[in-house]
Order: sequence, then structure tokens, then C-alpha cells
Amino acid sequence: QVQLLESGGGVVQRGGSLRLSCAASGFSFSSFGFHWVRQAPGKGLEWVAFIRYDGTYKYYANSVKGRFTISRDNSRNTLFLQMDSLREDDSAVYYCAKDSSRFGEFLSSWGQGTLVTVSS
Amino acid sequence: DIVVTQSPDSLAVSLGERATINCKSSQSVLYSSNNKNYLAWYQQKPGQSPNLIIKWASTRASGVPDRINGSGSGTDFTLTITSLQAEDVAVYYCQQYFTNPPWTFGQGTKVEIK
Repeated sequence: QVQLLESGGGVVQRGGSLRLSCAASGFSFSSFGFHWVRQAPGKGLEWVAFIRYDGTYKYYANSVKGRFTISRDNSRNTLFLQMDSLREDDSAVYYCAKDSSRFGEFLSSWGQGTLVTVSS
Repeated sequence: DIVVTQSPDSLAVSLGERATINCKSSQSVLYSSNNKNYLAWYQQKPGQSPNLIIKWASTRASGVPDRINGSGSGTDFTLTITSLQAEDVAVYYCQQYFTNPPWTFGQGTKVEIK
């Protein structure tokens, strides 16, 4: 079955960096696009970034463009999110989510999330 | 960007009664060439990650009970739980994937037991 396991969250100071990972198993990782979605405490879901199945196209929310970088390693079945210049409003649970297709449609499976806290 | 708006923000329904959640997109998400509505619904139970329950506006995801139904087309959609069970207590989100980026979610609707 599909398993997505995020890691790398933690407490970081404002302006700092953090790299999230999402280890995937149970399916053909290289055949699907992937998303990062975040949820601030007590708030709704906010889409953050998407990468196509082969890593050729990457898209970002305006709120993180220029600061976050999504990437993937298809040989290791792993998705990444490099987060730089972190701000307090980046504090959230970050979910990786498998897309239903190669190019970006609905989010068919979600990980359990990893908490990022940005302190001042 | 397509804005997706849900109503109400929360509702309390008695066990066995119907729960209805509305979702409206600022533009049509119906793709005329395949007659598909690019809209999904997710359920997030307390303390858990979101889970896909409806795709293409009305197709249940695997394992979703038939008391949960999606309907609508174009810009107006509805998620209906025909006979609310205790395990349906959750926040429900609709999301459009017609125009991306960005993929946009509604603000969520919290369903509780009355």
C-alpha cells in the first residue's frame, strides 16, 4: 500500500533553513507528481509546491516562491522541500502528497506530516 | 487564480441525519472536452492527515462509504453525508485542480455531532 513518511521538521529561527524529506514506498514513485501542502495550527490547507513525475516542472505558491525549492530523487523514492529564509508564518505541519497523475491533478495519498516551527 | 469558497464554516448534525456542505469556485472547473469537473473533496479527522474521499466531483475514492456523495457541476458543488455517523466527524475541504498552479482549497467545513 502507499506509504509516505515525512521527516526533517523541527524548530528553526527566523531566517534559517530546513530541509524536509518524504520517503515513499508501495508504488512506482517515478510515475507520479508530488505536492507539499501545509497547515498552520488550527487553520486550513495551503498548497505549497508541486513537482512533476520526472522533475522537469516545478510550481510554487506565491507565498514561498524564491524561498522554497521542491526536488525529488527517483532513484531513492524520496521527495524533498528545501526551505530557506524562513518566516514565522511558515510555521505549520507540512504534508507530502502523492498526485493521482504525472502532471498534476488531485492529491490521492497524504503522509502523516512533519511540524515546522519558526521562532523569532 | 480560482478561489474556492465553502459554506457553512461549521455545522452540527444529529446522528443519522443529513449533512450538506457547499463549495463554490470563482470560475467553472468543468473541462468541456471530457465533461469532467476538476474538483475533489478531502476529509480530515481530528489529529489525522487529510484523506481523499471524492474525485472528479462525484466519484468516491476507494473505501469511502456510499453515504458520502459528491454532486454538482461548473462552479457549484455539494458534499452530502446522507446519514451522519460518529466516524464522519471531521473537517471537509474541497479543492479545484482545473487551473494549476495554484491548486486551491476551500477554507474547510467542520462537521460535528449535535
